Amino acid sequence: QSALTQPPSASGSPGQSVTISCTGTTSDIGTYYHVSWYQQYPGRAPKLLIYEVDKRHSGVPVRFAAFKSGNTASLIVSGLQPADEATYYCCLSTGNNISVLFGGGTKLTVL
Amino acid sequence: QITLKESGPTVVKPTQTLTLTCSFSGFSLSHNDMGVGWIRQPPGKALEWLALLYWDGDKLYSPSLKNRLAITKDNSRDEVVLTMTKVEPLDTATYFCFRTVMVWAQRIPNYCDYWGQGTQVVVSS
Repeated sequence: QSALTQPPSASGSPGQSVTISCTGTTSDIGTYYHVSWYQQYPGRAPKLLIYEVDKRHSGVPVRFAAFKSGNTASLIVSGLQPADEATYYCCLSTGNNISVLFGGGTKLTVL
Repeated sequence: QITLKESGPTVVKPTQTLTLTCSFSGFSLSHNDMGVGWIRQPPGKALEWLALLYWDGDKLYSPSLKNRLAITKDNSRDEVVLTMTKVEPLDTATYFCFRTVMVWAQRIPNYCDYWGQGTQVVVSS
């Protein structure tokens, strides 16, 4: 299976909202709900933000939201803050020959 | 408090076998629906999922690397070991171990909620 497709970069000004997409196929994102999102700062381990498409992990601000429509999952970061500047990865686990796919990552810049 | 920590060599020569250890605490891998696995990240590149050890000893590998990977548990310790044979420069990466929880009543890893800090491995002669 191919990796999931994310835009390499996204940007927004403080206070604005940004949406990061993660596109797959009908066989992966279109079928399964085990989509998770991770935030990674340079030189640090990824941190879980969202799981099962739209559930926020413990301690994650409500500014981070997510949803899925068709073959695309999306992460929305609202009220952008300088600390949101990081790389964001989507991840999907599939059944039937269980596999785990990552997106290529989106580097978010807060202007 | 749940923690994971990776350890292993910093430099490995091509064709050698790489052995990495993930030492964890704060949870039991024998607990149903739990798993510990490995992900790697080449410099400046994306995350790549490698392997998973299930609570019951079952194993899951990346299809593209399964012939070179082995994941095991040290039953006397809370440690999960990843071995990778015949390393090459393309295996240069930071290797992370993580804890995962399975989708309820299924064997699908749901999400990675705790991660180690990562260990950098360079494959070079």
